[in-house]
Amino acid sequence: DTEVTQTPKHLVMGMTNKKSLKCEQHMGHRAMYWYKQKAKKPPELMFVYSYEKLSINESVPSRFSPECPNSSLLNLHLHALQPEDSALYLCASSQDYPRGGADTEAFFGQGTRLTVV
Amino acid sequence: LAKTTQPISMDSYEGQEVNITCSHNNIATNDYITWYQQFPSQGPRFIIQGYKTKVTNEVASLFIPADRKSSTLSLPRVSLSDTAVYYCLVGETGANNLFFGTGTRLTVIP
Repeated sequence: DTEVTQTPKHLVMGMTNKKSLKCEQHMGHRAMYWYKQKAKKPPELMFVYSYEKLSINESVPSRFSPECPNSSLLNLHLHALQPEDSALYLCASSQDYPRGGADTEAFFGQGTRLTVV
Repeated sequence: LAKTTQPISMDSYEGQEVNITCSHNNIATNDYITWYQQFPSQGPRFIIQGYKTKVTNEVASLFIPADRKSSTLSLPRVSLSDTAVYYCLVGETGANNLFFGTGTRLTVIP
């Protein structure tokens, strides 16, 4: 199983709502990532978890709150978002972070298309 | 981080070989070069990775000159389904390749 599963696939939320994005992998990977991608732009790294601990926060606003309940699951809690936060949110996983020596690939989910109204 | 530079877009006819070059002048000794493919509204997918010389797999080849300041992704005999954005990433020492550059939008024409 080389799949990263993200739910929901689409989400529309109001600016006062609270919602969560979910990501799951069963490859035994110990590193998981959240990316944000706007239309026709490259994915932008938001957060990196390594062994269930937050390793990198790329200065993401606090209205985005990540959580890693266990090594297979990664959540992104959303609260008081703005319309400019509308984007494709991608989850990824890899064997480990950081890695020394030979690098390995990251596996990406299909993403959650978020629309903030 | 080793910044990467790629052409913004390329067009190619079906059946042709396509070469996409990525410049990474500040690549560090322990950095690897990784290429991903992304279709619209999907997550990126790993294509190939290399450190030096040439790497080949079932979908592509990666050519890396001795100075490693650039790399070229070669797609043999492209088809319409190869229309996608191709990203070149270069990783820091001991770290994943985490940061995407602007990518190259490849359009394959019938």
